[in-house]
Amino acid sequence: DAGVTQTPRHEVAEKGQTIILKCEPVSGHNDLFWYRQTKIQGLELLSYFRSKSLMEDGGAFKDRFKAEMLNSSFSTLKIQPTEPKDSAVYLCASSGQGRSSYEQYFGPGTRLTVL
Amino acid sequence: GDSVTQTEGPVTLSEGTSLTVNCSYETKQYPTLFWYVQYPGEGPQLLFKVPKANEKGSNRGFEATYNKEATSFHLQKASVQESDSAVYYCALSDPPSGSWQLIFGSGTQLTVMP
Repeated sequence: DAGVTQTPRHEVAEKGQTIILKCEPVSGHNDLFWYRQTKIQGLELLSYFRSKSLMEDGGAFKDRFKAEMLNSSFSTLKIQPTEPKDSAVYLCASSGQGRSSYEQYFGPGTRLTVL
Repeated sequence: GDSVTQTEGPVTLSEGTSLTVNCSYETKQYPTLFWYVQYPGEGPQLLFKVPKANEKGSNRGFEATYNKEATSFHLQKASVQESDSAVYYCALSDPPSGSWQLIFGSGTQLTVMP
């Protein structure tokens, strides 16, 4: 089975630009999560979808961050406008149903650098 | 709210020595506890999970016991190898309370010297 796919793996943006990160979850998984990872803050939840419905929208990130789940097999994270402090690794994860539903499977991440 | 606290890193060990990474948690309910490992350039991957108190989880020589009384879930390995060098995260989720997200600790960077 294919794991979680994220594209692009690296992104460089100028301050003020709009960028869109993409994620394809594991086939059949109902839950999808977006995280931001930095050395200082560690892993922070940005958004959480269950069956395409937005369940959690990290309060501190509502302003310029918007995650969408266009269908059960594709999600995007838009950052608009970007700021240098957004430089981080953005991770997407998915989880299934049943007894394995507590486990999250992570993609390799997108490393974003904002100049 | 729920929280996880783990050993501050970085931790440097010689091959063949033992490892303990402390993890303690705070939650009002009965969480499932996890250890994740992250290698450079990759996302975190599940090492193992333990859903029930007083049970032990293990994988690849690593183990941890869910201690409900002490609210701890310390990671141990008797003899580390260079390939164990990675960042280790303790995490919890508490679905019975309606929270499906993972709450992560700050991570512990482990470097094993040959």
